[in-house]
Amino acid sequence: AQTVTQSQPEMSVQEAETVTLSCTYDTSESDYYLFWYKQPPSRQMILVIRQEAYKQQNATENRFSVNFQKAAKSFSLKISDSQLGDAAMYFCAWEKGGSEKLVFGKGTKLTVNP
Amino acid sequence: DADVTQTPRNRITKTGKRIMLECSQTKGHDRMYWYRQDPGLGLRLIYYSFDVKDINKGEISDGYSVSRQAQAKFSLSLESAIPNQTALYFCATSDRPRAGGRSQPQHFGDGTRLSIL
Repeated sequence: AQTVTQSQPEMSVQEAETVTLSCTYDTSESDYYLFWYKQPPSRQMILVIRQEAYKQQNATENRFSVNFQKAAKSFSLKISDSQLGDAAMYFCAWEKGGSEKLVFGKGTKLTVNP
Repeated sequence: DADVTQTPRNRITKTGKRIMLECSQTKGHDRMYWYRQDPGLGLRLIYYSFDVKDINKGEISDGYSVSRQAQAKFSLSLESAIPNQTALYFCATSDRPRAGGRSQPQHFGDGTRLSIL
């Protein structure tokens, strides 16, 4: 079975600083997608960023960017210029191409200190 | 108005009761999903449906059933609730794949927090 591992249960960052959240995954598939979802205390699940495995270029969405290392099966999320509103649980997720079924990691709780 | 609406938002009930959680969407998506979130475990897939006549079991379907009443509605039932089904339940939707089979991202509702005493 595919697995997604987030090795950092909790992380903290100072406001305006940069933080990187780690994610590794285990798969023998060549066609897949990777995602980062944000879950603030309001408990919504918000899509932050999406990466298609066949694309070598790292995805970027404003202050959020990923470092996708396909050979190492690593997919880290970098948050630049952290804001108080970035405080949330962050989930890494994997999807086999065409399956449309997400496999989630256990999450990393990010605290942003003023 | 939310694109994916889950009702109720919170529910407390007793062991043995039948519970139905409802999900409706205005996004026009074909695909709908039910997930369960437990502390420290992330989200796990319970059931998913690619259209009204296509329903599939996910990773943890035991003790649950679903009904896809229409393209826009997908309900999750617990026939006889037990305390270890206490969790946060999410409904999600996604559009059909684009040309070339490129999957589309899933969009989540705000969740139903279910407590079974």
